[in-house]
Amino acid sequence: DAGVIQSPRHEVTEMGQEVTLRCKPISGHNSLFWYRQTMMRGLELLIYFNNNVPIDDSGMPEDRFSAKMPNASFSTLKIQPSEPRDSAVYFCASSSGTSGSSYEQYFGPGTRLTVT
Amino acid sequence: GEDVEQSLFLSVREGDSSVINCTYTDSSSTYLYWYKQEPGAGLQLLTYIFSNMDMKQDQRLTVLLNKKDKHLSLRIADTQTGDSAIYFCAERKAYQLIWGAGTKLIIKP
Repeated sequence: DAGVIQSPRHEVTEMGQEVTLRCKPISGHNSLFWYRQTMMRGLELLIYFNNNVPIDDSGMPEDRFSAKMPNASFSTLKIQPSEPRDSAVYFCASSSGTSGSSYEQYFGPGTRLTVT
Repeated sequence: GEDVEQSLFLSVREGDSSVINCTYTDSSSTYLYWYKQEPGAGLQLLTYIFSNMDMKQDQRLTVLLNKKDKHLSLRIADTQTGDSAIYFCAERKAYQLIWGAGTKLIIKP
């Protein structure tokens, strides 16, 4: 298996622009997580999907952030408009959340976002 | 408390054992995890332990769990330069993993 795939790996954009981050989870996993990592705040859970349905988006910072999962193999995280304080590494992780599993999460390589 | 707590730094000599400690919040947590993050990379699952176990060993890694004290530790035997990374502990709470802030392991030659 290729693992969790994220694109792009690096994104540099100007304040006010729209940014779309993409994630392909591990095939067969039914849970998907978007995280943000910064030096100041550490690893923060933004949103959690189970079977393509958003279950908990309480970590999404504000209305500028939105996430979708149109099917089991694809998810996007969109920031519009972007601001310099959104600069961070954004990780996608997937998990097999079935009964009896150990629920470990597998992470993608991350997208390093810089907003100037 | 609500936080999973770890020391921010640990410095060890190459060839020595490293012991990274973590205290977690919920004595009913079923699974506890250790992840490794190398510079510029994502988090890599190292190992996990189920709450009915006291110890788990996997090659150079030994995980010890003290449920009474809600204390988890990761021992790395014969620490090598390639072990230099940030190590995160996490506990499972419903569908989420609750994360520590990470311990940066520094290897001295």
